[in-house]
Amino acid sequence: DAGVTQSPTHLIKTRGQHVTLRCSPISGHKSVSWYQQVLGQGPQFIFQYYEKEERGRGNFPDRFSARQFPNYSSELNVNALLLGDSALYLCASSRDSAMNTEAFFGQGTRLTVV
Amino acid sequence: RKEVEQDPGPFNVPEGATVAFNCTYSNSASQSFFWYRQDCRKEPKLLMSVYSSGNEDGRFTAQLNRASQYISLLIRDSKLSDSATYLCVVNPYSGGGADGLTFGKGTHLIIQP
Repeated sequence: DAGVTQSPTHLIKTRGQHVTLRCSPISGHKSVSWYQQVLGQGPQFIFQYYEKEERGRGNFPDRFSARQFPNYSSELNVNALLLGDSALYLCASSRDSAMNTEAFFGQGTRLTVV
Repeated sequence: RKEVEQDPGPFNVPEGATVAFNCTYSNSASQSFFWYRQDCRKEPKLLMSVYSSGNEDGRFTAQLNRASQYISLLIRDSKLSDSATYLCVVNPYSGGGADGLTFGKGTHLIIQP
């Protein structure tokens, strides 16, 4: 069975540009969450989607947006990139949105903003 | 006060030794707890969920103390392959919506031959 897949794996962008990151969850999983991890820190929650609806949002600016498609895959969009957006962006897949449901991460997209 | 606190280490431990990590969490309404391990420049991987009754998976034992709001992980007979960063993770509860997982900064473990 395929795990969580994210694309691209690495990306270099210039300040002010826009980026779209993609995630496909584990087959049968309906919930996708996005996290940002900067060096030396634990991942920080950005969004959770379940059944194509936003269920939660972390403390990130409106430049960050996301959506979930009918096949449960998801996109994370970041506008007007800043140097501080450089990080590993992780997608987590879970069966449902219940609090005790285990989450499984993709390999991440490493974004560098120059 | 940070929501999930861990000793960042590093913990340098000889192979075969037993090592224990603790973490504390601030939200007393938190409902679920996990340990993840993360290798350098890789994604976090679920190690185990943590239940109120405690749980064991091979050489790994996790405990939850709700009264004191801390979670522990014990690794017995440590192997070189246990070298990694161990992330304490809490699913908080605010009464509505999804708050996502809250991660500690991680504890860095180095097993030495």
